[in-house]
Amino acid sequence: GAVVSQHPSWVICKSGTSVKIECRSLDFQATTMFWYRQFPKQSLMLMATSNEGSKATYEQGVEKDKFLINHASLTLSTLTVTSAHPEDSSFYICSARDWTGGRNQPQHFGDGTRLSIL
Amino acid sequence: AQSVTQLGSHVSVSEGALVLLRCNYSSSVPPYLFWYVQYPNQGLQLLLKYTSAATLVKGINGFEAEFKKSETSFHLTKPSAHMSDAAEYFCAADQTGANNLFFGTGTRLTVIP
Repeated sequence: GAVVSQHPSWVICKSGTSVKIECRSLDFQATTMFWYRQFPKQSLMLMATSNEGSKATYEQGVEKDKFLINHASLTLSTLTVTSAHPEDSSFYICSARDWTGGRNQPQHFGDGTRLSIL
Repeated sequence: AQSVTQLGSHVSVSEGALVLLRCNYSSSVPPYLFWYVQYPNQGLQLLLKYTSAATLVKGINGFEAEFKKSETSFHLTKPSAHMSDAAEYFCAADQTGANNLFFGTGTRLTVIP
């Protein structure tokens, strides 16, 4: 089945550091990828929709300058948390959709990245 | 806009007992519906999906869900709970014209030995 690889799985870094998270679709092409943030014991909050070859679409309240998204190829999207601060600590999850099968194709999720800012 | 409601943020069942996790959607136009499972510190794994074909959908790990338009529901069931079923379960809906999924708030399933 479809596999989405997310890397790294854990990141611990100092405040002020920028952190890049990669999301790859391994066996299908994903024109659209999604980035979610999940707080402890809560549901997933959609941050942005990443479109291959164009600008990402951010959800209301999400700072586009803080969370930079690049979707340069059909299999790779990256999320960069710029100048990270402790409040950015969270679990970030990406997903990708294979649209070749039409709308009934589900989103496939990466294993998430636990980001801890000291 | 679409919304998904999961009744019960926590459900506890005994090992071997029936599992019932509830999900209701809000749209008058039935969306496509999905159940995902999340284990600690992991992403989401698709359990099953409803895409307007059969109303009773069978998924992995012995789970199934029934789409009931009259009740706007898509409850998840499993006849006999196993310890390995302990996890967080999310119901999600995909509305026509919307690219993203709308997630419920999740239900944490605890299985008591």
